[in-house]
Amino acid sequence: QSALTQPASVSGSPGQSITISCTGTSSDVGGYNYVSWYQQHPGKAPKLMIYDVSNRPSGVSNRFSGSKSGNTASLTISGLQAEDEADYYCSSYTSSSTYVVFGGGTKLTVL
Amino acid sequence: QVQLVQSGAEVKKPGASVKVSCKASGYTFTSYGISWVRQAPGQGLEWMGWISAYNGNTNYAQKLQGRVTMTTDTSTSTAYMELRSLRSDDTAVYYCARSGRHMALSPWGQGTLVTVSS
Repeated sequence: QSALTQPASVSGSPGQSITISCTGTSSDVGGYNYVSWYQQHPGKAPKLMIYDVSNRPSGVSNRFSGSKSGNTASLTISGLQAEDEADYYCSSYTSSSTYVVFGGGTKLTVL
Repeated sequence: QVQLVQSGAEVKKPGASVKVSCKASGYTFTSYGISWVRQAPGQGLEWMGWISAYNGNTNYAQKLQGRVTMTTDTSTSTAYMELRSLRSDDTAVYYCARSGRHMALSPWGQGTLVTVSS
């Protein structure tokens, strides 16, 4: 069982917007603005899409945005494109003995 | 460009050890940490631990304490992860990733498949 809870799957049609949630506790998501989101295509290494809750690294499309409310962080993808179909993972810094916890991952299907 | 290149696939027997390397280029190695993350077949990401390339400080996931050692060689900008007493459930793709502020991981290495089988 992962430390952070994500939906197993979400789907949307091209051009639509989707949101993936990531629920933790006050020891991780709720306690720090250090949530990251990663995109992973099959057989590839993960890629950082969002860091520190809502910041995009250089080169990441502005169709990707992040937010947080309480113990739940969210990744929103607007204007869905076929290339967005992938697995998405959230992670957070944690005050527990480990530094980082991941969510279980969400499979995004573009219909 | 910033790049992490990992060593090749390994096949090991139960009880053996494996050491995976991760060579960094395109940035000042000692200015960042390196995290190791593994992914079992068809499963999610599991954070294994972190090492500071500046001073060698480490933090390991509790479930791996005693079996994992992470080191760096600053002369070659290379990080290493050694896992001992391998079991079948250690079969996974092992990734290294540069750890920035607040443990945002980017970029990632290409991954190293470690297969544990008798």
